[in-house]
Amino acid sequence: EVQLVESGGGLVQPGRSLKLSCAASGFTFSNYYMAWVRQAPKKGLEWVATISTSGSRTYYPDSVKGRFTISRDNAKSSLYLQMNSLKSEDTATYYCASQLPFFAYWGQGTLVTVSS
Amino acid sequence: DIQMTQSPASLSASLGETVTIECRASEDIYNGLAWYQQKPGKSPQLLIYNANSLHTGVPSRFSGSGSGTQYSLKINSLQSEDVASYFCQQYYDYPYTFGAGTKLELK
Repeated sequence: EVQLVESGGGLVQPGRSLKLSCAASGFTFSNYYMAWVRQAPKKGLEWVATISTSGSRTYYPDSVKGRFTISRDNAKSSLYLQMNSLKSEDTATYYCASQLPFFAYWGQGTLVTVSS
Repeated sequence: DIQMTQSPASLSASLGETVTIECRASEDIYNGLAWYQQKPGKSPQLLIYNANSLHTGVPSRFSGSGSGTQYSLKINSLQSEDVASYFCQQYYDYPYTFGAGTKLELK
């Protein structure tokens, strides 16, 4: 059974940093592109980042480019999202997802609240 | 960026009814379209990919169709467990973009 478990969310002040993690199991992690997708409270879904199987290619929307960095450790079947210079508009539940290129499986999400 | 316009924003239907949700892309996305279902308090779940392919384990009352810029999700014989929000998403090109969602309720 595919499992994706996010962690690392919490309350953080504007301008500070936070690193999210996603532990994957139940599939060959190194064979799949992976992604982060977020959802602001009571809002829609927004794609945040994608990383290739080896980690050599990454993709971001303009809203987070230069502030967020996606990475992976295939030996640990883990995905990460380093978020710097956080803004109030980054407040959301962050989901990790396997990308096929559609988002086939999703984690349960971790809530990030950016507030002073 | 490719804009995804989803309609309606909300929908009320009776058990056993057939409902249709539409999604229009701002340019041709060559069937690079997925539909997701999100129940309250839960993460999104894939229903349909490549515009019309049913994901593993998804009931056959769900179906997708369309091409070019126009796509739709149909739910036949609505069940109580179908109460959820539904989102379309294009993956033809980066940045991947989602529709704003359709909230489906029981009448």
